[in-house]
Amino acid sequence: KAGVTQTPRYLIKTRGQQVTLSCSPISGHRSVSWYQQTPGQGLQFLFEYFSETQRNKGNFPGRFSGRQFSNSRSEMNVSTLELGDSALYLCASSFMSGGSTDTQYFGPGTRLTVL
Amino acid sequence: GESVGLHLPTLSVQEGDNSIINCAYSNSASDYFIWYKQESGKGPQFIIDIRSNMDKRQGQRVTVLLNKTVKHLSLQIAATQPGDSAVYFCAENAGYALNFGKGTSLLVTP
Repeated sequence: KAGVTQTPRYLIKTRGQQVTLSCSPISGHRSVSWYQQTPGQGLQFLFEYFSETQRNKGNFPGRFSGRQFSNSRSEMNVSTLELGDSALYLCASSFMSGGSTDTQYFGPGTRLTVL
Repeated sequence: GESVGLHLPTLSVQEGDNSIINCAYSNSASDYFIWYKQESGKGPQFIIDIRSNMDKRQGQRVTVLLNKTVKHLSLQIAATQPGDSAVYFCAENAGYALNFGKGTSLLVTP
C-alpha cells in the first residue's frame, strides 16, 4: 500500500499570503489528522476529520482551517500568514474504523517557510 | 500544558548497546500510547504501540513498558544500530488527537 502523501513538499510564502496544503491518506483510511511541528513547540495537533466531518480541533487561531473530501483526501488552509507559521505541517491517517485508538500513520510533511 | 514528556532531550549510546528512552504522562485516563521515530527530513514513523490493559509489548528489537501506577512508559531498543539514530517521540491519545512529548534525540556512536 502506498503511504500518506502530502503536496507540495516545500513552500515559500510571504507574510499576509494564504496557503493550501494537500494530503492523501492511505487507501482505506477515513480519518485524517493534521499537526504542526516547530523546534520550539514540537508536534501540536491542529484538527482531525472523519467522513468529511471535523471531530476535534486543537488550540490554533481561526486562520487555520481544513476540510475533507468524500474520497478522504484532505486540505488545510492557512490565511494571512505570519512568520510564526513557518513549520513542518504533517498529515496522518488512520484506519477506517474511526476509533480514537487507531494507529496514526504520518506523511513526509510539507515544509512551509514564511518570509 | 504538555501532558506527555520525555526525561532526556538527547541520548548517546554505543553501537550494539541497548537503549532505553523514557516518557512520563500526566493523564491517568490515557488508554493508548505510541512510540514514533523521526529521521531528519521525514515524518514520524510508527514503531510500536501499547494499550492501557497491557504492561509490556514486544516488537522486532523494541519493547515498550507501561507503568500505569507512576504514569511512565519506556522504549527499549536492543542492540542499537546506526540506523536507529533519530528523534523518538512518545504520544498519548487524547480523543481523536495525539499529544506528543518533546522528543529524545538518539545518537548511536560506532
